[in-house]
Amino acid sequence: EVQLVESGGGLVQPGRSLKLSCAASGFTFSNYYMAWVRQAPKKGLEWVATISTSGSRTYYPDSVKGRFTISRDNAKSSLYLQMNSLKSEDTATYYCAGITTANWFAYWGQGTLVTVSS
Amino acid sequence: DIMMTQSPLSVAVTPGESASISCRSSKSLLHSNGITYLSWYLQRPEKSPQLLIYQISNLASGVSGRFSGSGSGTDFTLKISRVETEDVGIYYCVQFLEVPLTFGSGTKLEIK
Repeated sequence: EVQLVESGGGLVQPGRSLKLSCAASGFTFSNYYMAWVRQAPKKGLEWVATISTSGSRTYYPDSVKGRFTISRDNAKSSLYLQMNSLKSEDTATYYCAGITTANWFAYWGQGTLVTVSS
Repeated sequence: DIMMTQSPLSVAVTPGESASISCRSSKSLLHSNGITYLSWYLQRPEKSPQLLIYQISNLASGVSGRFSGSGSGTDFTLKISRVETEDVGIYYCVQFLEVPLTFGSGTKLEIK
């Protein structure tokens, strides 16, 4: 059974940092691009970051570029999101997702809530 | 950025009836390799999104045959036949042609 389990969410003050983790199992993690997708409360889905299978290539939207860093450890089947200089608009549930080589989100985690507030 | 426009914002359907959701992109999603990178997802209440359809019309494993996708270029449709109560949720289209990946704003399906 495929599982993606996110952790690391919580309450953080504006301007501070937080690191999210995603533990993968049930599929060959190293064969999949991986991504983070977020959902602000009562809002739609927003893509946050993607990383290639080896980790050599990363992609971000302008809204988080320069503040967020996606990384992975294939030996541990784990995905990470380092979030710096957090803003109130980063408040959201963050989902870890696996992307097939043919480009769709095949797997989703259950999400972890990040609240940025003073 | 490619803008994805979904309509309607919400739809209420009687069980057993059909529903259609439209998704339009601001740019053709047809790649030079001949593949169109458009997929559909359902997010049931309080749940994570799940894949329904990939590359316009391919049904994901385990998804009911009552779901079907069609379209080309910039115009796509998700059809749900014989709607059931378990189909309640928000439906999203997303384009994978280029970064930034962009989602439609979602269509909420409710049961009458």
